[in-house]
Amino acid sequence: GQNIDQPTEMTATEGAIVQINCTYQTSGFNGLFWYQQHAGEAPTFLSYNVLDGLEEKGRFSSFLSRSKGYSYLLLKELQMKDSASYLCAVRDGDYKLSFGAGTTVTVRA
Amino acid sequence: DVKVTQSSRYLVKRTGEKVFLECVQDMDHENMFWYRQDPGLGLRLIYFSYDVKMKEKGDIPEGYSVSREKKERFSLILESASTNQTSMYLCASRERGWEAGELFFGEGSRLTVL
Repeated sequence: GQNIDQPTEMTATEGAIVQINCTYQTSGFNGLFWYQQHAGEAPTFLSYNVLDGLEEKGRFSSFLSRSKGYSYLLLKELQMKDSASYLCAVRDGDYKLSFGAGTTVTVRA
Repeated sequence: DVKVTQSSRYLVKRTGEKVFLECVQDMDHENMFWYRQDPGLGLRLIYFSYDVKMKEKGDIPEGYSVSREKKERFSLILESASTNQTSMYLCASRERGWEAGELFFGEGSRLTVL
């Protein structure tokens, strides 16, 4: 089976930085994804890592260490609109994506 | 703009009813997926289809079936709805090929079974 763990909730202040960790134990690995999901809306794609290292995209960065089965999503210069759930997902074959339970981030003024 | 459309945002059904959830994508994607999303459990894969008329079981297929007669349409069927199938159902699609990344999701269908 697949085991993908991430914290349930995190709270941070507007303008701050938050790091959401994700650890995984899966039968295969073909890439790790992060999605953002606002309440009542569809998940939307944020980032994709398949090689070790850091991928930066504006205020968001994602890191992967395949040997450690570990990733994190870094959100910088937090804004109120960043309040959402963040989903870590691992592709363990050609097609399937297995998701963690998601981390709810609350940004406070 | 890419679009995955699910036919119903909210449904209320009775135990034992047959339920159809429809999903249509306009991106000519080969792969389509049905997930259910429950608090604390995240998204769990029910079924997926990598091409027309092809289907594969996901992690929790029991109690569900699917149909993919046309490339753009992927239907989820609950033959006899039960209360434990009350959930948010999300359809998604993506291009063929393992290197192709992201899934595009529909808005979701919230099903309540009484």
